[in-house]
Amino acid sequence: AQSVSQHNHHVILSEAASLELGCNYSYGGTVNLFWYVQYPGQHLQLLLKYFSGDPLVKGIKGFEAEFIKSKFSFNLRKPSVQWSDTAEYFCASQETYKYIFGTGTRLKVLA
Amino acid sequence: EAGVAQSPRYKIIEKRQSVAFWCNPISGHATLYWYQQILGQGPKLLIQFQNNGVVDDSQLPKDRFSAERLKGVDSTLKIQPAKLEDSAVYLCASSLGSRALGSYEQYFGPGTRLTVT
Repeated sequence: AQSVSQHNHHVILSEAASLELGCNYSYGGTVNLFWYVQYPGQHLQLLLKYFSGDPLVKGIKGFEAEFIKSKFSFNLRKPSVQWSDTAEYFCASQETYKYIFGTGTRLKVLA
Repeated sequence: EAGVAQSPRYKIIEKRQSVAFWCNPISGHATLYWYQQILGQGPKLLIQFQNNGVVDDSQLPKDRFSAERLKGVDSTLKIQPAKLEDSAVYLCASSLGSRALGSYEQYFGPGTRLTVT
C-alpha cells in the first residue's frame, strides 16, 4: 500500500543552521511528490512539488528538495534557516488520484 | 483569487450529537477533498470528489460520516453520532484535478476544529 514516512518528528535548530528533513515514499510507480508547510495559526500551503524532469526542485522561501528514485526519497533542504521557518512540514505523495500525507515534522528555529 | 472557505472554524459538541461542516472550494476547482487531522498526525483523506462524483471514500467511516457535493461546488461533511475520537481538525482542500494541466496541487482551507466532549 502507498505510504509516506517522515523520520524526524521534532527538529530544533538555531538560526543560520542548515536543514534537511527526510521523506520516504513507498509507491514504485509514477508518483507526484509534495512538501506542504503549516505556519503557526495558518493553514497548510504548498512549499514545492515534483512531477517529472529535474530531480532537484526549488520552492518558496529558499527551500529545495531532491527526488532520488533509487532511494524512494524526497528530502527537503534549506541551507540557512530563519526564525520564521518555525512551522510543521508535511511530505505528501500522489499516485494516480490518491494523495497520502506523512505524519509531519515540527521544526522550531531558535533566534 | 479567493481561497477555500470553511465554516464553522470551531465546534464543541457532546458525544452522540451530530455536526456538519461546510466547504466552498476555489472557483473552477473540480476536485474537492475532506481530511481529518488528529493532533500530532498528518492529514488523513476521508473522501475525494471529482465534480460531484466520489473518487475515493475508502477511509470514510460510513456508519457515522457522510459527505455530499451537490452541483459539483460546495460540499458538506456530517458526523452523526459523534464519538470522542472524532475530535480533530477537519480540513477541506481543492485542486484543479485535471490530468491535462498536470497539476494536483491542493489548496487548503483554514479547517474546522471539532471537540467532542
